[in-house]
Amino acid sequence: DSGVTQTPKHLITATGQRVTLRCSPRSGDLSVYWYQQSLDQGLQFLIQYYNGEERAKGNILERFSAQQFPDLHSELNLSSLELGDSALYFCASSVDTADSPLHFGNGTRLTVT
Amino acid sequence: GENVEQHPSTLSVQEGDSAVIKCTYSDSASNYFPWYKQELGKRPQLIIDIRSNVGEKKDQRIAVTLNKTAKHFSLHITETQPEDSAVYFCAAHYSGYSTLTFGKGTMLLVSP
Repeated sequence: DSGVTQTPKHLITATGQRVTLRCSPRSGDLSVYWYQQSLDQGLQFLIQYYNGEERAKGNILERFSAQQFPDLHSELNLSSLELGDSALYFCASSVDTADSPLHFGNGTRLTVT
Repeated sequence: GENVEQHPSTLSVQEGDSAVIKCTYSDSASNYFPWYKQELGKRPQLIIDIRSNVGEKKDQRIAVTLNKTAKHFSLHITETQPEDSAVYFCAAHYSGYSTLTFGKGTMLLVSP
């Protein structure tokens, strides 16, 4: 168990809908990262938050947004969903910056039908 | 920004053989190089990491080597076992960024 909790584990929704993925980092970790992994694809970095503030942005679509709350949990919001958004979404946390080990949650598998 | 190339994309070995996966990075200011193992349908898990001030690190059957001059690092697995079968990702942290850049992964298949 990595100590990073992601909910829900599975999500099935229709095109055009909006969903929210939730992540609680390991106790003591201030940084939260979101990654997208499509079938047979690598880990695509979406966005990072550090202690409530956005720290870095990757290949995140404008339809996607995220935030980190005062209790350090984070939410990733995906809207106007398309079939191509179907993927495994991982949250990871680290103590501070990415030169400390990243600990991944078990992921949320999103299926858009 | 940082770019990480990983080879091979797939690797098949017989149980007991050694496996080597290589990665190259683009930015000489990179200072941290972790390796992650991802079993099918599961989360990536850190298996070993190395920092730029170290040339080699070992943990039982797993070792990582770093050549800063050539800007490449490698994962070595000895005495492979079927449970080593997974996708392995290398990554590099460039000190100018706050995130890791991952390679595209290597699918390792160890046959009994």
